[in-house]
Amino acid sequence: AQKITQTQPGMFVQEKEAVTLDCTYDTSDPSYGLFWYKQPSSGEMIFLIYQGSYDQQNATEGRYSLNFQKARKSANLVISASQLGDSAMYFCAMRETGAGGTSYGKLTFGQGTILTVHP
Amino acid sequence: ETGVTQTPRHLVMGMTNKKSLKCEQHLGHNAMYWYKQSAKKPLELMFVYNFKEQTENNSVPSRFSPECPNSSHLFLHLHTLQPEDSALYLCASSQDPTGAWGNEQFFGPGTRLTVL
Repeated sequence: AQKITQTQPGMFVQEKEAVTLDCTYDTSDPSYGLFWYKQPSSGEMIFLIYQGSYDQQNATEGRYSLNFQKARKSANLVISASQLGDSAMYFCAMRETGAGGTSYGKLTFGQGTILTVHP
Repeated sequence: ETGVTQTPRHLVMGMTNKKSLKCEQHLGHNAMYWYKQSAKKPLELMFVYNFKEQTENNSVPSRFSPECPNSSHLFLHLHTLQPEDSALYLCASSQDPTGAWGNEQFFGPGTRLTVL
């Protein structure tokens, strides 16, 4: 079974509007972290936002916010006031607690969602 | 200077060639990673190094051989590759892969590898 599922292969949004990119995850670990990365056509993966499983509040970073619903195991990314430069591939990723309580940084990525922002 | 650099950015090689990918991080991090990104597939973790010691080998074929001489440099030596190994190879680093959950990974721009 996939650990990270991004069901939207592609999304379109009008400039200045908000958009939500979906991410659901599957884990039995009580302690885990969720990340969103942006990958422009240049290839570099750019870290956007992080949510810890024990965090009480949803994470926010500028125009990015993470809608964390733990019971539903979802961690959707919300981008407000979309800009043309937001057009890119977006990846959701999860880091679980590994054996012995350490994860050694293993990130599991979803398939990604291509976001296109129209002027 | 850019946090994580990778060279070369593009590489074309034959199946009998031997080549190496280089990654360097200027962030003072202790952990480094190799990922493979194939078309239409999620990023796949290949190797993890923590303080120069390999802590993860994700069932990667032996034709990929990593080397981490120090915490700032990571190499991926390639030999007798197959066409299906063509992909974007991404290097990343993080402060410490254990414990702290806000410990995000910083990625380099990747090497686009084509095996003929």
